[in-house]
This record gives sequence, C-alpha cells and structure tokens, in this order.
Amino acid sequence: TQLLEQSPQFLSIQEGENLTVYCNSSSVFSSLQWYRQEPGEGPVLLVTVVTGGEVKKLKRLTFQFGDARKDSSLHITAAQPGDTGLYLCAGREDTGNQFYFGTGTSLTVIP
Amino acid sequence: EAQVTQNPRYLITVTGKKLTVTCSQNMNHEYMSWYRQDPGLGLRQIYYSMNVEVTDKGDVPEGYKVSRKEKRNFPLILESPSPNQTSLYFCASSSAPWQPQHFGDGTRLSIL
Repeated sequence: TQLLEQSPQFLSIQEGENLTVYCNSSSVFSSLQWYRQEPGEGPVLLVTVVTGGEVKKLKRLTFQFGDARKDSSLHITAAQPGDTGLYLCAGREDTGNQFYFGTGTSLTVIP
Repeated sequence: EAQVTQNPRYLITVTGKKLTVTCSQNMNHEYMSWYRQDPGLGLRQIYYSMNVEVTDKGDVPEGYKVSRKEKRNFPLILESPSPNQTSLYFCASSSAPWQPQHFGDGTRLSIL
C-alpha cells in the first residue's frame, strides 16, 4: 500500500466539465504539494498547501488541504485540453525526511 | 538556468552489467532524491540525501546504491541490474525535504 492514495486513477472528460481529484492518507503531512507531469518530462510543481483547511486557487484550479492535514483535493473548473496530464500529490510526513508521492491521476480532456 | 541534469536519458542493457545514472544540480540544493516511476504506483523514492555524505533509504532501496561526495552530484548505481529494475527514473533536488522538488527529465532504463 502507498502512503498517499489518489482517486480516481484515470479520468476522461469532455472539455468544459468540472472534476475533482482526491489525495488521501492515514498519516499527517507537514505540507502537501501538487504536481503535473506531461509525457517525457519530470513533474512540475503546481502548488504547495501548508495549513490545515487552507484553500489555494490557481486560475481554474482550486486546491484544498484537509483540516487534519491528512488529505487534499484538486478541483478543476471548465477543464480544457491543455489540462491533460498526470496529476500527483506529494509531501513529507510531520516527522522524517522521506518524501512521498501519490499514486497519480491521469486526466484526459477531450476537445 | 536552474536545472537538474541526469544522464543518460535512455539505456538498454543486460542483467548483471553494472551501470551508473548521473545527476547534477546547479541550484546549491541540499536535498536530493532518486525516484522510480512505474504505472499505477506514482513515484517511489529510492534514496535521498540531506547533504554531502548523508544518504538514507527511501521506500524501494533494494538493488540500488547512491553516493553524495559533492553537493551538486548524486549518482544512482545499479551494481547488478535485474529486469525488475526496468523503469523510468527521476532525480530531483530541493532546498529542504518540505520544499518543492525540481526534477530532471528522466532516464528510461530497460534491463533485458
């Protein structure tokens, strides 16, 4: 089992639809980051959430950190084909220096 | 330009033939990591290093070695590669474990 579980694993939607990706753990994280990865490239940071209950917006993307700092969500409004990619949550537990990635959500937005 | 450079980008080799994947960063970052990426499993940390001469095991260290003799370099060594190490490998660096990771472009390894 992975420390960070994401759902869904795959998502295929039409352009203009809304979607939410979930990232869950039984562990407490000091912060959580969301990355997007395109084929043939390394992941690129989208956002970092630090405080329990924090909500951050990046244009059409809304990120939320759970109150207990064990989970996070990414909501995309009016998805566009350019949003297609692999979305990964990641973070470090409250204790320790190991860095964990989620299982990933592969998003395809169909024009 | 701030970057993480890993080489080679692609490698096909045979079981048991020692190989090294190099990683270098120019951002003076203290924290460096190696990950492998497999379908459905996301990225799993192999080894990480907090600073020069300080390395620790991640989730999947078996069959791998690393060294951190200089701050900028963090090579990944497979002493006796096996087919189950066929994967996409990423090196990453950051100023601290909780800070955003900067990734290289990846190395696709195929062990026959």
